[in-house]
Amino acid sequence: DAGVTQSPTHLIKTRGQHVTLRCSPISGHKSVSWYQQVLGQGPQFIFQYYEKEERGRGNFPDRFSARQFPNYSSELNVNALLLGDSALYLCASSLGTGFYEQYFGPGTRLTVT
Amino acid sequence: AQTVTQSQPEMSVQEAETVTLSCTYDTSESDYYLFWYKQPPSRQMILVIRQEAYKQQNATENRFSVNFQKAAKSFSLKISDSQLGDAAMYFCAYRSPYTGANSKLTFGKGITLSVRP
Repeated sequence: DAGVTQSPTHLIKTRGQHVTLRCSPISGHKSVSWYQQVLGQGPQFIFQYYEKEERGRGNFPDRFSARQFPNYSSELNVNALLLGDSALYLCASSLGTGFYEQYFGPGTRLTVT
Repeated sequence: AQTVTQSQPEMSVQEAETVTLSCTYDTSESDYYLFWYKQPPSRQMILVIRQEAYKQQNATENRFSVNFQKAAKSFSLKISDSQLGDAAMYFCAYRSPYTGANSKLTFGKGITLSVRP
């Protein structure tokens, strides 16, 4: 079975631009969570979606938004990019909320110049 | 809010030896889950082991075991018979048993483990 997939693998953007990152969960998983991992740090929680509804949001500005589609895939959008948004963005999928195992994708490396 | 602290930024171990990675956490909750994740250079975050706070028995997965001290809020990972493939960044993480934002994982800063041949 395919694991969590994320696209693109790596991208470079300029300050002020917008970016969209994509995540496809494991088949049958209905929840997707997004994390930001700055170099040398642990991942920080951004969003959790379940059944297309936002179920949790971390301490991130409104420039960050996300959505989940009927097929449970998800997009993370970041507007007005700042240099500090450079990070590895991880997507994790799980069967649901509560205590279900979270399985991580390989991440998208975003570089903002 | 819960916090997870990993105070050792780096550790090194000789192949076939045993190494212990430390983690402390702070929470006011009585029930929760603790995890150790491994992140190799490929960036894929892999679950190594998990511990439910209500279980007094320490979790074990093959060469990996934990020493869970609930009163001290300590959760260390012991890797026995270290292998070259164990070289990676290791993260300690905390999770509440509830849904929504509280089901997020809270990670420590991580520790880089190197294995000497």
